[in-house]
Amino acid sequence: IQMTQSPSSLSASVGDRVNITCRASQTITRHLNWYQQKPGKAPKLLIYTTSNLQGGVPSRFSGRGSGTGFTLTISDLQPEDFATYFCQQSFGPPLTFGQGTKLEI
Amino acid sequence: EVQLVESGGGLVQPGGSLRLTCVASGFTFSNHYMDWVRQAPGKGLEWLGLSRNKASNYVTEYAASVKDRFTISRDDSKASLYLQMNNLKAEDTAIYYCVRQKGFGDLIFEYWGQGILVTVSS
Repeated sequence: IQMTQSPSSLSASVGDRVNITCRASQTITRHLNWYQQKPGKAPKLLIYTTSNLQGGVPSRFSGRGSGTGFTLTISDLQPEDFATYFCQQSFGPPLTFGQGTKLEI
Repeated sequence: EVQLVESGGGLVQPGGSLRLTCVASGFTFSNHYMDWVRQAPGKGLEWLGLSRNKASNYVTEYAASVKDRFTISRDDSKASLYLQMNNLKAEDTAIYYCVRQKGFGDLIFEYWGQGILVTVSS
C-alpha cells in the first residue's frame, strides 16, 4: 500500500491552522496513524487509528478521514509544532509511511 | 517507564554483516510485537519488519527490500530484539530504530528507541 502525503513542505506562522493530507493507494479503512519527528529525535506517535489522540498530545492536534483519504489538522500552531510529520498505514504488512511533510516557520 | 536501547551499529564495509540489539525495559516484552524501522540520512521512514509475540509464535514479517538479507529474532528471557543484517549495501546506511507496538498486534508504533547509526562504506 503506497502512502502519499501532501504537501511535502509547508510554511506557516504561530497561531495558524494547517492541514496535512495523506492518501492511500487502496482502502485502509481507518488504520492510519500520524507521527511527529523533530531533528535528531525519534518519531513520536501523535494520533492513531485516524482520530485517536495519543496520551499527552495537545488537543490542537486532530485527525479525520477513512478509506483512502486522511487529514491531520493542527490548530493554533505553537513554536514546538514545527517539525516533520509522517502518516503510516497499519492496515497490514508491509507497513508503509508517507514521505513526510516538513512544517516550517 | 518504557525504554528501548539499541546497540551494535557502526561502520561496515559493503558486503559485510552487522547485528543490532535492542534491549527493552519497563514492560512485559514477551507480550508485544516488536518492529525495526530505519531512516536514511535526510529521508523518510522505512519499515523493515516485525516479530510477533509469544502468543503468535514469534512469526516474523519483512519488507521486500530486505527480506533476503535481514533477519529479526528475539530473546524474551533477555527482553531483547535483534536485527541480523547480511550483505550490506551503501543504501542500507541509515539510523535504525527499534519500535514497540501500542497494542498486541495493532501495528501502531508507540514507543521508539533513540536509534542507532549504521554506515555502509568502504
